[in-house]
Amino acid sequence: AQSVTQLGSHVSVSEGALVLLRCNYSSSVPPYLFWYVQYPNQGLQLLLKYTSAATLVKGINGFEAEFKKSETSFHLTKPSAHMSDAAEYFCAVSDLYSSASKIIFGSGTRLSIRP
Amino acid sequence: ETGVTQSPTHLIKTRGQQVTLRCSSQSGHNTVSWYQQALGQGPQFIFQYYREEENGRGNFPPRFSGLQFPNYSSELNVNALELDDSALYLCASSSNRQGTYEQYFGPGTRLTVT
Repeated sequence: AQSVTQLGSHVSVSEGALVLLRCNYSSSVPPYLFWYVQYPNQGLQLLLKYTSAATLVKGINGFEAEFKKSETSFHLTKPSAHMSDAAEYFCAVSDLYSSASKIIFGSGTRLSIRP
Repeated sequence: ETGVTQSPTHLIKTRGQQVTLRCSSQSGHNTVSWYQQALGQGPQFIFQYYREEENGRGNFPPRFSGLQFPNYSSELNVNALELDDSALYLCASSSNRQGTYEQYFGPGTRLTVT
């Protein structure tokens, strides 16, 4: 079965500092991986996705993620945090075993930005 | 292009009651998935509809049911509501039922069961 594990339920960084949100996946087939962001009282917005093309994926709002097969990781980074980045971030994998295109989400990481 | 919309935004129900949530898929999308997001957790897959038929189901009891209409909009029905059903319910649409196709999420419906 495919799954994702997010390390750290809460990450706090200073404005302008590097953002690093960790995600490890489990999959016996090449996975389709995603990062979603959820702002308070809103739905999910896709930040970026990995679909077996380039291992370094660039997304919206300056975020990027690197697929590392040897480490089964897909960590999300942003060089310089902005106050508007404060939100909940979810790593997810598309369940390619299922007849339904369901997405399996991690438990989320809440990102706080200190002024 | 209109995105995924959901109604209502919020609602409050009493334990034992029934509720219907609605979702309009993005233009051109024929697949709708429903997810339940409990407070502080990631979304959990409930089921998916493809061309008006259920195409897969997560680990939810039969009192969670759904419909998809010819225009590909969808309903989620929950009978005999329990307190644990309190959650944000998210609808997502995609242009194909295969896992390689991107899903677009709506803003969700916040259900509170008292």
